[in-house]
Amino acid sequence: EAGVAQSPRYKIIEKRQSVAFWCNPISGHATLYWYQQILGQGPKLLIQFQNNGVVDDSQLPKDRFSAERLKGVDSTLKIQPAKLEDSAVYLCASSLQRLTDTQYFGPGTRLTVL
Amino acid sequence: GENVEQHPSTLSVQEGDSAVIKCTYSDSASNYFPWYKQELGKRPQLIIDIRSNVGEKKDQRIAVTLNKTAKHFSLHITETQPEDSAVYFCAAKYNFNKFYFGSGTKLNVKP
Repeated sequence: EAGVAQSPRYKIIEKRQSVAFWCNPISGHATLYWYQQILGQGPKLLIQFQNNGVVDDSQLPKDRFSAERLKGVDSTLKIQPAKLEDSAVYLCASSLQRLTDTQYFGPGTRLTVL
Repeated sequence: GENVEQHPSTLSVQEGDSAVIKCTYSDSASNYFPWYKQELGKRPQLIIDIRSNVGEKKDQRIAVTLNKTAKHFSLHITETQPEDSAVYFCAAKYNFNKFYFGSGTKLNVKP
């Protein structure tokens, strides 16, 4: 079974620039999560999708972050404009359906904002 | 609000010794508690999980215990090996399949 795919793996930008990350979940997985993991901390949920609908985005800084999952499959997370404190690893995870617990993580995108 | 506290933040043990990592959660409605292992630069990998209708679960050298009354759960690794060295995260599932993660424990197993 193919795992969760993410790209790019690494990204370096200057503050105030824009950046976008892509995630392709495991085939058939209805629930998709985006997490932010700052160095030395646990993953923090940014947004959760069930198919193409948003279940929870309470911790997403909506003034600069946006995410979409238009066809209920792959997803993009965008930051515009980026700040220094956005430097982190952005992890995508998926699970089969909302009531099935196991999450599978992608390799992450390491973002450095200079 | 919901949160998960994890202790210790770092743990150093001698190879062959046991390691214990503890987490507490705030929402008594939480019913699923996974543990992840994350090696440097890699994705978190699920190593064991426990549901609220079970008090203990074992998988070879790894075990997890859950105390619902006290709202805490623990990871136990016996006969530690150098390849167990990694950062371990606990998590608790809240409403709508939302997960909160602990801050992580860096385990160092000394040969």
